[in-house]
Amino acid sequence: SQQGEEDPQALSIQEGENATMNCSYKTSINNLQWYRQNSGRGLVHLILIRSNEREKHSGRLRVTLDTSKKSSSLLITASRAADTASYFCATDLTGANSKLTFGKGITLSVRP
Amino acid sequence: DAGITQSPRHKVTETGTPVTLRCHQTENHRYMYWYRQDPGHGLRLIHYSYGVKDTDKGEVSDGYSVSRSKTEDFLLTLESATSSQTSVYFCAISGASGRLNTGELFFGEGSRLTVL
Repeated sequence: SQQGEEDPQALSIQEGENATMNCSYKTSINNLQWYRQNSGRGLVHLILIRSNEREKHSGRLRVTLDTSKKSSSLLITASRAADTASYFCATDLTGANSKLTFGKGITLSVRP
Repeated sequence: DAGITQSPRHKVTETGTPVTLRCHQTENHRYMYWYRQDPGHGLRLIHYSYGVKDTDKGEVSDGYSVSRSKTEDFLLTLESATSSQTSVYFCAISGASGRLNTGELFFGEGSRLTVL
């Protein structure tokens, strides 16, 4: 069964706009991570937020975590055409061995 | 970029034949993983390893076996390939060496397997 589910499944925005992607999960987690995948490539780690954290920033990325709602959001500010990719949330239940469970992903298209 | 190499990158085979995919790392990381990626399913964990000769099953392990005889190599074997195993297979390593696990995964570029 899928632990994390992203929403929306697809998102198309204009360059310069912000992109917000959401992830919901079912059980308690140790941490939640976001990854990006460009077409035909492997996944690249973007950011990790631990269960005792509420918000983290990394460059143009902002991630929030609401453990009471079992949800997370990824905000990409001032999007660029190069941000076009699939984005995945992944949950780590134990934090012991990084046995991550991935969602199905969100396809983001940023129009120039 | 993390030193992860997958081979082969592309393979076409016939139903019933054995297939072995290799993942090689140069980072000396303890944990290694095999995932498969399919449309509509995202990434699903097949097997993972937490040390030499130490492996465990993931979510979709049926029909797959793994071996890890050296820290740097993690092999995924399909003993008798089936069409349902047509997929893109990704190897990953944890962002850690020794016993400390930092949590994030680094992925290889994937191996695209087609079973006819």
